[in-house]
Amino acid sequence: DIKMTQSPSSLSASLGERVTISCRASENINNYLSWYQKKEDGSVKLLIYHTSRLQPGAPSRFSGSGSGKDYSLTISGLESEDIATYYCQQGYTPYTFGAGTKLELK
Amino acid sequence: EVQILETGGGLVKPGGSLRLSCATSGFNFNDYFMNWVRQAPGKGLEWVAQIRNKNYNYATYYAESLEGRVTISRDDSKSSVYLQVSSLRAEDTAIYYCTRSRSYILDYWGQGVMVTVSS
Repeated sequence: DIKMTQSPSSLSASLGERVTISCRASENINNYLSWYQKKEDGSVKLLIYHTSRLQPGAPSRFSGSGSGKDYSLTISGLESEDIATYYCQQGYTPYTFGAGTKLELK
Repeated sequence: EVQILETGGGLVKPGGSLRLSCATSGFNFNDYFMNWVRQAPGKGLEWVAQIRNKNYNYATYYAESLEGRVTISRDDSKSSVYLQVSSLRAEDTAIYYCTRSRSYILDYWGQGVMVTVSS
């Protein structure tokens, strides 16, 4: 299985701050990488797919980049509604997720 | 509007079996793959299984950690997908999410259903 190493595991940031979360795959995943947001109420939303494509309805302050084994999710200006846990996921079966990054307000 | 609703969770004794159901609406079910993803208490997301659509001969894929104990199936006439889990263990305790996907992209998720394995 492809292992996804996500960092940091938790992150404290201020409103308006730029936030970056990283994900490294154990092998080249050829941009087959998605990012998800999971809120405390249990809801899960797709934010980014194929490394950098914004899911319709996701705010434009979210962006993704990367290639090969290394990928990142950036929030250009943190808003209160972004407080959640974020997960990366690679796209080769069996699909695997990173361990998650819990984003909190400073 | 895409709607996904999981049912069938609850308390199950170790060694028991459970069948989760997922009813969907608001999209052409036949066009999509369907998946189950779970989250154990205090843990991250874990993909469990995928079933592809008729165009892909309803091919199924499973997480290696669960293979042999889980079966995913679908009923296109009911726009529903199912997950049968057997030989349940305490570590199967989790919220189980049903998700729609385009290939590996899990674009819509249900609210999840809780499964607790305990004597």
